[in-house]
Amino acid sequence: AQSVTQLDSQVPVFEEAPVELRCNYSSSVSVYLFWYVQYPNQGLQLLLKYLSGSTLVKGINGFEAEFNKSQTSFHLRKPSVHISDTAEYFCAVSDRRTGRRALTFGSGTRLQVQP
Amino acid sequence: EPEVTQTPSHQVTQMGQEVILRCVPISNHLYFYWYRQILGQKVEFLVSFYNNEISEKSEIFDDQFSVERPDGSNFTLKIRSTKLEDSAMYFCASRIGGTGFTEAFFGQGTRLTVV
Repeated sequence: AQSVTQLDSQVPVFEEAPVELRCNYSSSVSVYLFWYVQYPNQGLQLLLKYLSGSTLVKGINGFEAEFNKSQTSFHLRKPSVHISDTAEYFCAVSDRRTGRRALTFGSGTRLQVQP
Repeated sequence: EPEVTQTPSHQVTQMGQEVILRCVPISNHLYFYWYRQILGQKVEFLVSFYNNEISEKSEIFDDQFSVERPDGSNFTLKIRSTKLEDSAMYFCASRIGGTGFTEAFFGQGTRLTVV
C-alpha cells in the first residue's frame, strides 16, 4: 500500500520569493515520484518526475524537486515564484512494477502567489 | 499537440439516474485510467484498463461503476444509480505503455453534480 502526505494545504507567498511545497510518502514497494500542477478549471499537468539516478530533478516552469530516500520525501521548490504559478500542486507516487502504474496522490497544496 | 479530451465538461444528474462520462484518449495510447476528485479532497484512482479489460481497480470501483472502450477511440465510465456522494470531478488519463516509464496524460475533467 502507498500513501502520500502533503503537509501544507495552502501556501501563501509573495511574488519573486522562494517557495517549498512539502511531500512525504510511504510505500512497501519501490516507487516513482511525481509532482502535478492543476491550474484553475484545467486538468492535471506533469511538472516533474523522479524515476532513478540523480536525486535532484528539474521540471517545467523553473521548478525542481529533491528525492530523499532516508526521509521518504520529495519536496518541490522554486527559487522565485510568479503570479502565474498560482495553482494546486499534487505530489504522487506509482509502483515501479510494470502494469501497476496507477497514481496515488496527496491531498494537494494550493500555492497562492501575491503581488 | 495530442491531448485527452473529455465530454461533457459538466454534467448534472438526478440521484438514481445513470450517467456515462466520455473520454477520447490519445490515439496511440494503450493504457487508460479514470480518477475522481471530490471537491476539496485528493485525486483518487478508480480503475485502469488495458487490452480491453480492467487491469487494476480500487475499492471505490464497485459494482456501481463500469468501463468500456466501445469503438476503439472512446473510453467511457458508466455510473449506475448515482448517489449524492458521486458528485466529483472525474479525470480520464491515458498512457502509451511499454516496458519503461511513460507519462500519463490527463484530460480536463468532467464535473459531475448529483442532485
